[in-house]
Amino acid sequence: EIVLTQSPGTLSLSPGERATLSCRASQSVGSNLAWYQQKPGQAPRLLTSGASSRAIGIPDRFSGSGSGTDFTLTISRLEPEDFAVYYCQQFGSSPRTFGQGTKVEIK
Amino acid sequence: EVQMVESGGGLVQPGGSLRLSCAASGFSFSSYWMTWIRQAPGKGLEWVANIRQDGNEIHYVDSVKGRFTISRDNAKNSLFLQMNSLRAEDTAVYYCAGDHKGTFDPWGQGTLVTVSS
Repeated sequence: EIVLTQSPGTLSLSPGERATLSCRASQSVGSNLAWYQQKPGQAPRLLTSGASSRAIGIPDRFSGSGSGTDFTLTISRLEPEDFAVYYCQQFGSSPRTFGQGTKVEIK
Repeated sequence: EVQMVESGGGLVQPGGSLRLSCAASGFSFSSYWMTWIRQAPGKGLEWVANIRQDGNEIHYVDSVKGRFTISRDNAKNSLFLQMNSLRAEDTAVYYCAGDHKGTFDPWGQGTLVTVSS
């Protein structure tokens, strides 16, 4: 089973700042990585798939990058609605696995 | 409007059973792999099981093999999860989701399963 490790655990930033979230895989997943956003009491929402393709309706301030074992989700300028928990997920091998999450909180 | 509505969650004793349902609308349900994902209280996400469009290919996470059964009814745009021999560690919110080449979208709002005596 592929283990995904996200860092940092918590990111404290102000609106307007840039957020950089990391996801590292225990072995290569190619480009088979997705990012999700989850707000309290809500289901997760797909942000990007295939490491860098934004899902429909996702603002362009969200961008994913990386391949192999190292991936990054960047939020160029944080909006108030972006403060949430973010999960990476690999679909390069079975079972599909998620990282433990990064919480982006208001500083 | 795309909508996925789970039901069937609740409180059950260890060793008991529950059947979760997910009613889908607003998208071509029969064209999607479908999946169940769970989230224990205050914890992260765990993929549980998925099923191919025709129901003839199914996969489970090791921890539920032999206890859970995923199924679907394309005529009714519905997905199911039969959960037997439930354990305390199965306590979680269970989400159904479309499974598009390994990524999960759309998602339902989830249904809470609590296993406790």
